Amino acid sequence: KQEVTQIPAALSVPEGENLVLNCSFTDSAIYNLQWFRQDPGKGLTSLLLIQSSQREQTSGRLNASLDKSSGRSTLYIAASQPGDSATYLCAVEAAGNKLTFGGGTRVLVKP
Amino acid sequence: DGGITQSPKYLFRKEGQNVTLSCEQNLNHDAMYWYRQDPGQGLRLIYYSQIVNDFQKGDIAEGYSVSREKKESFPLTVTSAQKNPTAFYLCASSQNRGTNEKLFFGSGTQLSVL
Repeated sequence: KQEVTQIPAALSVPEGENLVLNCSFTDSAIYNLQWFRQDPGKGLTSLLLIQSSQREQTSGRLNASLDKSSGRSTLYIAASQPGDSATYLCAVEAAGNKLTFGGGTRVLVKP
Repeated sequence: DGGITQSPKYLFRKEGQNVTLSCEQNLNHDAMYWYRQDPGQGLRLIYYSQIVNDFQKGDIAEGYSVSREKKESFPLTVTSAQKNPTAFYLCASSQNRGTNEKLFFGSGTQLSVL
C-alpha cells in the first residue's frame, strides 16, 4: 500500500528565505507526483506535476524535483513572500489512476 | 468564470439525518471526484465518476452515496450510516480519468455534527 509522508508538518520562515518542502513515498511504481497549494478553508490548486520520467519541473519561483528510486520529492520556493503562506500537499499517482496524498506541510512566511 | 462550485460552505448534521453536498462544474469535464480531508491528514477518495450515470466507490465509500445524472453535477449524500462525518469535503474534476490528468478543486464544504 502506497504511503506518502510530508515532514515537517509545519514550517515558519522569515520573508526572503528559500523554502524547502519534502515529500516521501513508499512505492516507487508511480506515474507522476503533483504538488498542490491549499489556502485555509479552500480547495487545492495544482502547482506542478512531475511525470515519472522527469527529474524536475519549474514554474516561476517554484522548482520541484523527483527521485523515484529513493521515493522522494522536494519543492523549492525561492525568495519566500508572505503570500506563500499556505499548506502544501504532495500526491503520487499510481496504477488505476489512484492518487495518494500526503498530510501536507503548513507554511508561514513572516514579514 | 470556469470552475467548480461547492455549496454550502458550512453544513451541520443532526443525529440520524442525511445531508447532501452540492458540486457543480462548468469546465465540461467528464470525470468528477469527492474527497474527504481530516485535519493534518491527506485527502481520501470517497467516490468518483468517469461519465454520466456511472460512478465507482473510492477508498472510504461506506456511509456515503452519490449520483451523476448530469455531466455538470455530482452531489454527495452523507447518510446516517456515516458515524464520523465531521470533515472538510472537497469536490474535484478532470478532463478525463486518466494518467497525468490535472485536477481542479472546488472550495470545499465543512460538515459538522450538532
